[in-house]
Amino acid sequence: GAVVSQHPSRVICKSGTSVKIECRSLDFQATTMFWYRQFPKQSLMLMATSNEGSKATYEQGVEKDKFLINHASLTLSTLTVTSAHPEDSSFYICSAGNRGGYTFGSGTRLTVV
Amino acid sequence: AQSVSQHNHHVILSEAASLELGCNYSYGGTVNLFWYVQYPGQHLQLLLKYFSGDPLVKGIKGFEAEFIKSKFSFNLRKPSVQWSDTAEYFCALKTPGGSQGNLIFGKGTKLSVKP
Repeated sequence: GAVVSQHPSRVICKSGTSVKIECRSLDFQATTMFWYRQFPKQSLMLMATSNEGSKATYEQGVEKDKFLINHASLTLSTLTVTSAHPEDSSFYICSAGNRGGYTFGSGTRLTVV
Repeated sequence: AQSVSQHNHHVILSEAASLELGCNYSYGGTVNLFWYVQYPGQHLQLLLKYFSGDPLVKGIKGFEAEFIKSKFSFNLRKPSVQWSDTAEYFCALKTPGGSQGNLIFGKGTKLSVKP
């Protein structure tokens, strides 16, 4: 079945640095990828929708200059958290649209110290 | 705006007990509804989904859910849980209007099954 590989699974970074999270669709082409963030005991909140070859669409309240999304190919989307701060610590999950359904990555636990 | 509510944050059951996890949504129109499961350290996996037709939907691993439109509910059930069902369960909604619209998730319910 369809698989989305997300890396890294865990990352700890210093405040002020940038972190890149990758999501790859392994056996299908993902024209659309969704990026979610989940705070403890909260819902998965959609951050942005990325479409291959075009600019991402960000949800209200999400800073596009801070959360850079690149979807340069049909199998790869990246989320870069720039100038990370402790409040950016969260669980980030990507999801790819696939034949009317959704396939999720395993998530990335980001801790900013 | 659409939203999804899951009533229980954490449910603890013994093996063989019956399970029902609540899910209510707010949206006045046609909806697509999903239940996902996330086992520890793994990605979200689809348990079942409702698009139209029979409101009683059967999914994988013995799970089922019933769509009750009048109650805006889509509760997840399993007659007899196993220790391996320990996981977090998410109810999600998608409103039609695009082949790749985003999902709106509930906060999740953590299920712990005691052996």
